[in-house]
Amino acid sequence: QKEVEQDPGPLSVPEGAIVSLNCTYSNSAFQYFMWYRQYSRKGPELLMYTYSSGNKEDGRFTAQVDKSSKYISLFIRDSQPSDSATYLCAMRLQAGTALIFGKGTTLSVSS
Amino acid sequence: DADVTQTPRNRITKTGKRIMLECSQTKGHDRMYWYRQDPGLGLRLIYYSFDVKDINKGEISDGYSVSRQAQAKFSLSLESAIPNQTALYFCATSDYGTGDTDTQYFGPGTRLTVL
Repeated sequence: QKEVEQDPGPLSVPEGAIVSLNCTYSNSAFQYFMWYRQYSRKGPELLMYTYSSGNKEDGRFTAQVDKSSKYISLFIRDSQPSDSATYLCAMRLQAGTALIFGKGTTLSVSS
Repeated sequence: DADVTQTPRNRITKTGKRIMLECSQTKGHDRMYWYRQDPGLGLRLIYYSFDVKDINKGEISDGYSVSRQAQAKFSLSLESAIPNQTALYFCATSDYGTGDTDTQYFGPGTRLTVL
């Protein structure tokens, strides 16, 4: 079993839809959880960061961590064509340790 | 991210050739990383460096070497390239201890093809 599992998709939705992206993980010691967004031919950029369990909201984006289920989610409300990208989850044991990435989910939002 | 630059952006080479990929950053970060990205495999860590005198192997270091020439420069070398090293390579930087939670900032990537 991989440490971090992420469905690669692709996921296609119409503009305005609510999108749910998910990752599961096996190591219960992970404490820091991140979502990166990667546009085609670009490097990943940090989108959301969460420490331990709970929710974090930033505009149309909400990151959710459920440590009891070892499951993290990224929700995108009112999705836009500009949200079309690959979304990678990442996590680490503690600050300063290596990031473990999921394989990424490719999202396409059509207008 | 213009603060992290990678050269070259694209490179095609032949099996057995020596290749160097370079990374420079103007963010003033101490920590630098090299990753490779393959379809279906995601991002995997090759090497990382927490300062000029500190070099560490990552998940897939075999066939690669690195050099940290200065705080701002971190190079990745393939001593004898092979076709399964064809991939997209990313450099990243981070600055632990500033309250930034060690966020990694990625360069634009180098697309390497080994024939």
